[in-house]
Amino acid sequence: DGGITQSPKYLFRKEGQNVTLSCEQNLNHDAMYWYRQDPGQGLRLIYYSQIVNDFQKGDIAEGYSVSREKKESFPLTVTSAQKNPTAFYLCASSILGQGDKVEKLFFGSGTQLSVL
Amino acid sequence: AQSVTQLGSHVSVSEGALVLLRCNYSSSVPPYLFWYVQYPNQGLQLLLKYTSAATLVKGINGFEAEFKKSETSFHLTKPSAHMSDAAEYFCAVTFTGTASKLTFGTGTRLQVTL
Repeated sequence: DGGITQSPKYLFRKEGQNVTLSCEQNLNHDAMYWYRQDPGQGLRLIYYSQIVNDFQKGDIAEGYSVSREKKESFPLTVTSAQKNPTAFYLCASSILGQGDKVEKLFFGSGTQLSVL
Repeated sequence: AQSVTQLGSHVSVSEGALVLLRCNYSSSVPPYLFWYVQYPNQGLQLLLKYTSAATLVKGINGFEAEFKKSETSFHLTKPSAHMSDAAEYFCAVTFTGTASKLTFGTGTRLQVTL
């Protein structure tokens, strides 16, 4: 089945530690996204990538880093600079819209990150 | 700047009752509007989208939404609620058709009671 796989489902971070969240897709989508979800705040875009070896900052990129070495993979690193990392992190992918084609997002099942 | 407002962070309905979840947007240009649903501990999945074709949009699981430009609204409805509809619902807007420019609302949690 085609889809997006996020791992791990739960992750704990110690003070001063960097942690990496995995996101893999087999939908052959060009674009991939990372969102952060906090209770009562909806989803906020962290980073996105429309092509391999290129990515763009979203609305809340500070304290996070990404890479896009392969089309299928878009890992997110939560660095020690992110002082409030506890949240639910969602990875998504889409085709790239052309003309009036509006992109539909496909989401993974998320990673819950907590601070020890 | 684009934005969406979802009125009511929690909505409770009885099974079989009408579901109405409200979404209003702010825009100076025609928007693309979406409703996504999130079941507990899951990602989001698309319910329906408005892309300037028909103003009444039908989605999955019996949901539909009507685009009303005069009211800047895109409310989500379902004639008869089912227990399986209990979830969180997000309205989202973009003015470019580009997913990277999507703005999500804060969500409405729907509870369905017997």
